[in-house]
Amino acid sequence: DIQMTQSPSSLSASVGDTVTITCRASQTINNYLNWYQQKPGTAPKLLIFAASNLQTGVPSRFSGSESGTDFTLTISSLQPEDFATYYCQQSYNTPKTFGQGTKVEIK
Amino acid sequence: EVQLVESGGGLVKPGGSLRLSCEASGFIFRSYSMNWVRQAPGKGLEWVSYISSSSRYIYYADSVRGRFTISRDNAKNSLYLQMNSLRADDTAVYYCARDIVYCGGDCYEGAHDYWGQGTLVTVSS
Repeated sequence: DIQMTQSPSSLSASVGDTVTITCRASQTINNYLNWYQQKPGTAPKLLIFAASNLQTGVPSRFSGSESGTDFTLTISSLQPEDFATYYCQQSYNTPKTFGQGTKVEIK
Repeated sequence: EVQLVESGGGLVKPGGSLRLSCEASGFIFRSYSMNWVRQAPGKGLEWVSYISSSSRYIYYADSVRGRFTISRDNAKNSLYLQMNSLRADDTAVYYCARDIVYCGGDCYEGAHDYWGQGTLVTVSS
């Protein structure tokens, strides 16, 4: 199975900050990497698919990039509604493994 | 508007069975692959199972293979998860999720673009 190592597990940031979350795949997954946002008590929401494609309706302050087996989610100018938990997921093959999650908290 | 509505969760004893349903609306259900994803209380997301649009391809996580069965009825716009031999560590919120189909140069699938609200399965004596 492909392991997805996500870091950090949590971070504290202020409104207006730029936040970076990283996900490393244990093997090549090409660009089959997705990012989700989840708020307490709600279903996850797709933010980015295929490493860097912004899902319809997602604000442009969210962006994704890749470098080999390393993938990055960047949130520019953090907004109050962005405080949530973020997950990466590889969909290169099954099982479609998720990272452990990164909780973004208010500083 | 795309909607996915799960049902069938509840309290079941270890070793028992449960069948989850996911009713889809607002899109052409028979054209999309579907998944089940679960989340144990206070834990992260775990992909459980996948079924292709025609049911030709089916995959499971190792943790549920041999105990869970995914199926769909395209005439009824419904997805199912039959869960047998349930264990305490199957306790979770279960979500159904649609696979995106995005075609730029090539077509990309595999990301989950719509999710249901989830249904809670509790396995306890």
